[in-house]
Amino acid sequence: KNQVEQSPQSLIILEGKNCTLQCNYTVSPFSNLRWYKQDTGRGPVSLTIMTFSENTKSNGRYTATLDADTKQSSLHITASQLSDSASYICVVSRHNNAGNMLTFGGGTRLMVKP
Amino acid sequence: EAGVTQFPSHSVIEKGQTVTLRCDPISGHDNLYWYRRVMGKEIKFLLHFVKESKQDESGMPNNRFLAERTGGTYSTLKVQPAELEDSGVYFCASSQQTGVYNSPLHFGNGTRLTVT
Repeated sequence: KNQVEQSPQSLIILEGKNCTLQCNYTVSPFSNLRWYKQDTGRGPVSLTIMTFSENTKSNGRYTATLDADTKQSSLHITASQLSDSASYICVVSRHNNAGNMLTFGGGTRLMVKP
Repeated sequence: EAGVTQFPSHSVIEKGQTVTLRCDPISGHDNLYWYRRVMGKEIKFLLHFVKESKQDESGMPNNRFLAERTGGTYSTLKVQPAELEDSGVYFCASSQQTGVYNSPLHFGNGTRLTVT
């Protein structure tokens, strides 16, 4: 069964601290993995996308890693800001950019406190 | 460019009533998707349009849900009659091309549907 599991479900950190969110998947075949940020009341916004041949990708203070052998990914947030408070969703695709081939994780809800 | 817009942002209806959700994709995007997130669960695919044609509707839960995209522009998703388990957030997304790595999905802000 194609699944994407994320941990932790929720996380509270202080402003300025770093954090790492985890994503494990059993989706097959594998095309690419994306991390999305979803602010409250808004739609998901893409942060990074990686294929099996990429094991790290950065977008500003966000750095995603991918281990296609162990089927694990992580999203590291450096020097957190209050605006980082959001849900972070890991999404695995079975086909290049086909929206009907996406398996979504349940998300990690991050709260950054001053 | 304007993003994907959805209307209404919130809808509260009684069980048995009908609700119609609307999605306006980014202009020029042939691909339009509907997704749903029910309480406590992950986002799940409902269906996919390419222009006005339904490409994949394997995620539609039952025949109480009807999606249309007449003329290949905006799309509507009608729920008739609504049941309590239909409550959730309905997202629409669009993309310019399929099968292209760098043609990302753009999501709307969703419609929060509450069935009482």
